[in-house]
Amino acid sequence: EDQVTQSPEALRLQEGESSSLNCSYTVSGLRGLFWYRQDPGKGPEFLFTLYSAGEEKEKERLKATLTKKESFLHITAPKPEDSATYLCAVDASGTYKYIFGTGTRLKVLA
Amino acid sequence: NAGVTQTPKFQVLKTGQSMTLQCAQDMNHNSMYWYRQDPGMGLRLIYYSASEGTTDKGEVPNGYNVSRLNKREFSLRLESAAPSQTSVYFCASSDPSVKANYGYTFGSGTRLTVV
Repeated sequence: EDQVTQSPEALRLQEGESSSLNCSYTVSGLRGLFWYRQDPGKGPEFLFTLYSAGEEKEKERLKATLTKKESFLHITAPKPEDSATYLCAVDASGTYKYIFGTGTRLKVLA
Repeated sequence: NAGVTQTPKFQVLKTGQSMTLQCAQDMNHNSMYWYRQDPGMGLRLIYYSASEGTTDKGEVPNGYNVSRLNKREFSLRLESAAPSQTSVYFCASSDPSVKANYGYTFGSGTRLTVV
């Protein structure tokens, strides 16, 4: 069965303290892996799409990487405004029906 | 630059009542989706429409119906609401033909409580 697992469930960082969020997946055939940011009371906001192992994407303090079994979202020198829930999703079937993980709640303290 | 618009934003229903959640997108996307989000469960697909005129069941379709009214609009109907349908509902759209970036664009959600 296709599955996406995110860890940790929650993470508290001091401002400037870099860290990584993990998304591990078990799917029959990966078509794409996606990262989203979700603020409280809002819909998820698209961040990145990764297609193949070894691929990397960057946006400001965020960098997403992909291996054959997992993806990491690296957060460098985070700021309080980076506090949010980060969601990972995969498109395993090519039918554009994503499978979502349950997310990592990130809190960055000033 | 509206993106995906959902209405209503909040709704309280009594068990057995019916309602329709509305969704419209202005990005000319072919595909549209309805998800529900529950604590600890993540986002789960209810129904999707790959293109105008087509709809298919997702992971949790029971108790719901959908209509793809035209390319812009995709509605979700609860015929007889149950407390188990208390959730946050998100509509999303995408254009899978644009491979470089076919992530979903989500609406802001409808928070539904069934009492």
